Amino acid sequence: GDSVTQTEGQVALSEEDFLTIHCNYSASGYPALFWYVQYPGEGPQFLFRASRDKEKGSSRGFEATYDKGTTSFHLRKASVQESDSAVYYCALGSNYNVLYFGSGTKLTVEP
Amino acid sequence: EAAVTQSPRNKVAVTGGKVTLSCNQTNNHNNMYWYRQDTGHGLRLIHYSYGAGSTEKGDIPDGYKASRPSQENFSLILELATPSQTSVYFCASGDGGSQDTQYFGPGTRLLVL
Repeated sequence: GDSVTQTEGQVALSEEDFLTIHCNYSASGYPALFWYVQYPGEGPQFLFRASRDKEKGSSRGFEATYDKGTTSFHLRKASVQESDSAVYYCALGSNYNVLYFGSGTKLTVEP
Repeated sequence: EAAVTQSPRNKVAVTGGKVTLSCNQTNNHNNMYWYRQDTGHGLRLIHYSYGAGSTEKGDIPDGYKASRPSQENFSLILELATPSQTSVYFCASGDGGSQDTQYFGPGTRLLVL
């Protein structure tokens, strides 16, 4: 079945470091891919999505490129800030209006 | 003006008791979803709905029922709560399609003793 794998459970960085969170998916065809962010005490928030090979999604300085060849949608940010500390979820959209979420990556950014 | 609201925000229940979690959305979205969030598992889908009167089973429906009496409201029902159902529950709404973007509520923290 459709699934998403996030390899990093936790990432610890300092401010202005470069961020990469890895996301790989398993699905047939061209599913829509999403990134969500969750701050403490809140529900997940939509960050951005992409739905075609080589399409780049971006928001708030974060970006990811849909790569059908490597079945990946890695999240990147050039210079993280303390306010970026949160849990990040990669998700995959199915044909039944259902999202399949990865297990999440907790990002901690030290000042 | 939060578009997806949940009540209660916190709940303590006893084993074997009945628990109802409520969700209301003002997005006028057709689709609504219930997830639970547990450390190491991320978000797992329990039930979802395509509109009033419809409910569908998600990945982990056992021990849960759902009810969608109207476009705006979607409830999750635990008829006989168990300690393994202690978790944080999130409701979401979405307007449908394979690129469906879902919008989440603030969550309900449930403790079953």
